[in-house]
Amino acid sequence: AQSVTQLDSQVPVFEEAPVELRCNYSSSVSVYLFWYVQYPNQGLQLLLKYLSGSTLVESINGFEAEFNKSQTSFHLRKPSVHISDTAEYFCAVSDPDRGSTLGRLYFGRGTQLTVWP
Amino acid sequence: DAGITQSPRHKVTETGTPVTLRCHQTENHRYMYWYRQDPGHGLRLIHYSYGVKDTDKGEVSDGYSVSRSKTEDFLLTLESATSSQTSVYFCAISEGTTNYGYTFGSGTRLTVV
Repeated sequence: AQSVTQLDSQVPVFEEAPVELRCNYSSSVSVYLFWYVQYPNQGLQLLLKYLSGSTLVESINGFEAEFNKSQTSFHLRKPSVHISDTAEYFCAVSDPDRGSTLGRLYFGRGTQLTVWP
Repeated sequence: DAGITQSPRHKVTETGTPVTLRCHQTENHRYMYWYRQDPGHGLRLIHYSYGVKDTDKGEVSDGYSVSRSKTEDFLLTLESATSSQTSVYFCAISEGTTNYGYTFGSGTRLTVV
């Protein structure tokens, strides 16, 4: 199995400030990594994912995340946030049993990002 | 976006009554999942399915059952609803291998009074 820890349950920031949402996972075996975003009263949407290759992945709306294998982390960052980024963000990690065909993802408890004007 | 719909979107029911939530997909994905989302707990897996008539339990399956008689439909039943089952329920679908991630429905907000 896999354990995913999002270290901050709430992150308040002012508009145009940088932000980092932290995510650590337990298994050091090769995994796939995801960040999902949930806007109020909506389902979760895929923000970005790391499968292989470059350890830095980017989304279309300015977020980026860096895979750090030695620290088993996949932190999400944005250099300048907007009010519209206010949402809950979930880190997810694949099942470390790569032989599994269940496509199982393990989710963190979420981080509520609130951007103030 | 993948076609996945949940119904109903909102429901209020009384303690002790059975309730069925429906997840319908038009993507022909093999894997389907039911999660519940509660403050402070994030997403918790209730049941999942890896094909027609193939289902298995997640971490919080007590008091819930599921059925999948067709690829496109995955039903979640609360056999006798309790107040602790008041939650937002999400269905997700996946093509299978973990590199695809999940696509989520919009959720069902269930209140048990």
